[in-house]
Amino acid sequence: QLQLQESGPGLVRPSETLSLTCTVSGDSINRPGYYWGWIRQPPGKGLEYIGNIFYNGDTYYNPSLKSRVTISVASSKTQFSLSLNSVTATDTAIYYCSRFHYYSGSGSFPDYWGQGSLVTVSS
Amino acid sequence: AIQMTQSPSALSASVGDRVTVSCRASQVIGNGLAWYQQKPGKAPKLLIYAAYNLQSGVPSRFSGSGSGTDFTLTIRSLQPEDFATYYCLLDYNYSWTFGQGTKVEIK
Repeated sequence: QLQLQESGPGLVRPSETLSLTCTVSGDSINRPGYYWGWIRQPPGKGLEYIGNIFYNGDTYYNPSLKSRVTISVASSKTQFSLSLNSVTATDTAIYYCSRFHYYSGSGSFPDYWGQGSLVTVSS
Repeated sequence: AIQMTQSPSALSASVGDRVTVSCRASQVIGNGLAWYQQKPGKAPKLLIYAAYNLQSGVPSRFSGSGSGTDFTLTIRSLQPEDFATYYCLLDYNYSWTFGQGTKVEIK
């Protein structure tokens, strides 16, 4: 059974870099046909796509965050990470990692999610 | 960028009611749309992918329809466990956009 688990600091200072890791068990990140990505949700608000990485290493980012975001895969192929720099209070959110299942000709959608990790940006 | 407009933002319904939630794209998108259910404190759950395909394990009272710019999630007979917030998600040209969400509350 595929499981994803986010980990990282729960508190980040303004202007610093938010870094989270997603550990994947029960699947391989370099298995063809899947993306691995990040989605966030500010407290009490809706969902926002951050970005994802394809099994071949291609990355895609939300245009509104692209200048500050990097998603990468660890050499172990069992973890992928999110880096968001120059954070402000508006980046306070629950951050979810997820697997995006590619449905040929019909798009890719998250089918497995981590439980989420609350990151607060505050001094 | 394509804009997604989800409606209504909230609705009240009773157990047994038929409920519909809509998402409209600002341009034609094919069938690259999914629907999610989210309960408080939980990650979203995939219900429907590629506009009308039921995800494995999801009850058949959930269905998706539509194409082009207008898409609908229908819950045929609302059950107590269906009270939650529902989101659509667009995938178009390597760009993903969520709808604003619809909270389904008990009348």
